[in-house]
Amino acid sequence: SQKIEQNSEALNIQEGKTATLTCNYTNYSPAYLQWYRQDPGRGPVFLLLIRENEKEKRKERLKVTFDTTLKQSLFHITASQPADSATYLCASGSARQLTFGSGTQLTVLP
Amino acid sequence: DAGVIQSPRHEVTEMGQEVTLRCKPISGHDYLFWYRQTMMRGLELLIYFNNNVPIDDSGMPEDRFSAKMPNASFSTLKIQPSEPRDSAVYFCASSRMTRNTGELFFGEGSRLTVL
Repeated sequence: SQKIEQNSEALNIQEGKTATLTCNYTNYSPAYLQWYRQDPGRGPVFLLLIRENEKEKRKERLKVTFDTTLKQSLFHITASQPADSATYLCASGSARQLTFGSGTQLTVLP
Repeated sequence: DAGVIQSPRHEVTEMGQEVTLRCKPISGHDYLFWYRQTMMRGLELLIYFNNNVPIDDSGMPEDRFSAKMPNASFSTLKIQPSEPRDSAVYFCASSRMTRNTGELFFGEGSRLTVL
C-alpha cells in the first residue's frame, strides 16, 4: 500500500543552524509533494510545492528537494529561528488528493 | 478573504449524541476536503467534494459519518451516533486546483471530545 513517512518525530536544533527534515514515500510515485507548517491548535499552512520533474524549489529561507530515485524529499530551513518551531508535514499528491505524513516537530533553541 | 471558517471550534458531547460540524470554504474554491487528525493516525482524508459533488468518501470510517455540501459556500460533517473513538480534531480545507495540484487552505479545526 502507499505510504508516506517522516523519519523523525522530533528534531531539536540550535538557532542559526540549518534544519533538515526528511519525507520518504514507498510503493507509488507521487506527481508532487507539498510541505505544510502546523502550529499547536491551528490548521496546517501551506509552505511549498515541488513537482516530480523539479529537483529543487526555494522560498526565502526554505528549500525543498525531490529525489525520485531515492523516493525522498528533503525540507531545509536555513538560518533557523525560534519562530520556526512548529510541526512540519509533508504531503504527497496524485490527481486531487493529498496524503499526509505524520509530521516532524521542530524546536529551534535560542 | 476570511479564510476557511469552521464551527464549532470545540465540542464536547456524550456518546450516542449527534454531532454536526460546519465549514465555509474560501469563495471561488471548487474543492472542499474534510480531514480528521489524531495523535495515533495523523491527518486522514475523510471525504472531498468538487463543485459541491462528493467525489471520494472512501475515508469515511463508518456509516455513522455523513457529509453534505448543499452549496458552494457551506458543508457539514455529521456523526450520528457519536462514539468516544470519534474524538479528534476535524479540519475542513478548500482548494482551487490548477494543473492537477493545489495548495490546501485549512480552517482552524473543530476539536471534538466524545465522553
